[in-house]
Amino acid sequence: GAGVSQSPSNKVTEKGKDVELRCDPISGHTALYWYRQRLGQGLEFLIYFQGNSAPDKSGLPSDRFSAERTGESVSTLTIQRTQQEDSAVYLCASSVPGLAVSGELFFGEGSRLTVL
Amino acid sequence: DAKTTQPNSMESNEEEPVHLPCNHSTISGTDYIHWYRQLPSQGPEYVIHGLTSNVNNRMASLAIAEDRKSSTLILHRATLRDAAVYYCILTTRGNTPLVFGKGTRLSVIA
Repeated sequence: GAGVSQSPSNKVTEKGKDVELRCDPISGHTALYWYRQRLGQGLEFLIYFQGNSAPDKSGLPSDRFSAERTGESVSTLTIQRTQQEDSAVYLCASSVPGLAVSGELFFGEGSRLTVL
Repeated sequence: DAKTTQPNSMESNEEEPVHLPCNHSTISGTDYIHWYRQLPSQGPEYVIHGLTSNVNNRMASLAIAEDRKSSTLILHRATLRDAAVYYCILTTRGNTPLVFGKGTRLSVIA
């Protein structure tokens, strides 16, 4: 597809279960970012990939959160032992190298996670 | 990181121009000024960005103060579809993640 694709679009899970959220960036975009947005709140940065490496993981809220990226393409965000506070929309974005200069970060539609 | 300050909310009448201000008094010489907006129930979308000179594109104009301590996003003719939260963000060279603040919630009245 032409844009950033995320799946699932909606996920309802029970507290304590693990979830995986997937992001397919735009082809050729080597930079990939994950953000979280709780209801009525702003975006929180989680992690950034350049290629398959993650130079900045500073936003991951706890060790229950992890992410990986393979083939400089698909990325998976995994949340283990989910808690109700993890309920949010998880947004993925991608860009060409040099975001500051190129300017444009492309966001997906997000994966809405609800933890019961 | 240099921070930005924006009004929490603004209101505009449809088909009138809108000037959205942003203060960034601690901006450094290598910081670019980016504007994004987030429509209801959607991910953010890029609007415009610049470094020193004013910029125009099909969506908006960006006016940057001479001392770069403030900037203004200009929507030339607001439509109902422009109702969104507008974020003013600074970022340095490279792929530094964009840090989104609270932004300005723009309401457009028909």
